[in-house]
Amino acid sequence: EIVMTQSPATLSVSPGERATLSCRASQSVSSNLAWYQQRPGQAPRLLIYVASTRATGIPARFSGSGSGTEFALTISSLQSEDFAVYYCQQYNDWPYSFGQGTKLEIK
Amino acid sequence: QVQLVESGGGVVQPGKSLRISCAASGFTFSPYSMHWVRQAPGKGLEWVAVISYNGINKYYADSVRGRFTISRDNSKDTLYLQMNSLRAADTALYYCARDNLGMGPAFDIWGQGTMVTVSS
Repeated sequence: EIVMTQSPATLSVSPGERATLSCRASQSVSSNLAWYQQRPGQAPRLLIYVASTRATGIPARFSGSGSGTEFALTISSLQSEDFAVYYCQQYNDWPYSFGQGTKLEIK
Repeated sequence: QVQLVESGGGVVQPGKSLRISCAASGFTFSPYSMHWVRQAPGKGLEWVAVISYNGINKYYADSVRGRFTISRDNSKDTLYLQMNSLRAADTALYYCARDNLGMGPAFDIWGQGTMVTVSS
């Protein structure tokens, strides 16, 4: 089973600043990685797929990078609605697995 | 609009069974593989099971294999999860999600979830 590890667990950033979230896979997942955003009380929403492609309707301030075992999600200028929990997910091998999440909070 | 709506959750005693459903609308259901993902209160996301577009191929997380069964009825645009021998550790919000092959296959559509509580 592929274990996904996200860091940090909590990230405190001021609005307008840049945030970078990390995700590491226990073995290579190629580019078969997605990022999801989950706001309080809401279902997860797909942000990024195949490591770096934004999903429909996702603002350009969100970008994904990486391949193999190391990945990052960058939000270039944080807006109030971006403070949420972010999950990475690998779909390279069964069972599909999620990271434990990074909570992005207002500094 | 494109949406998934889960139903059937509730409070159930340990060892009992429950079936939850996910109704799809606004898109053609039959070409898509579908997943169940759960989230225990205050915890992260856990993938549970997947079923192929035609219902033939199914995979399960180790934590539910042998107890849960995923199925679908393409004539009714509905996904199911039959949960047997329920445990307290199965308490969670259960989401259904669409698997979009054109996106990796990432989960591009999610329902709002149905809560399952296992308690005596």
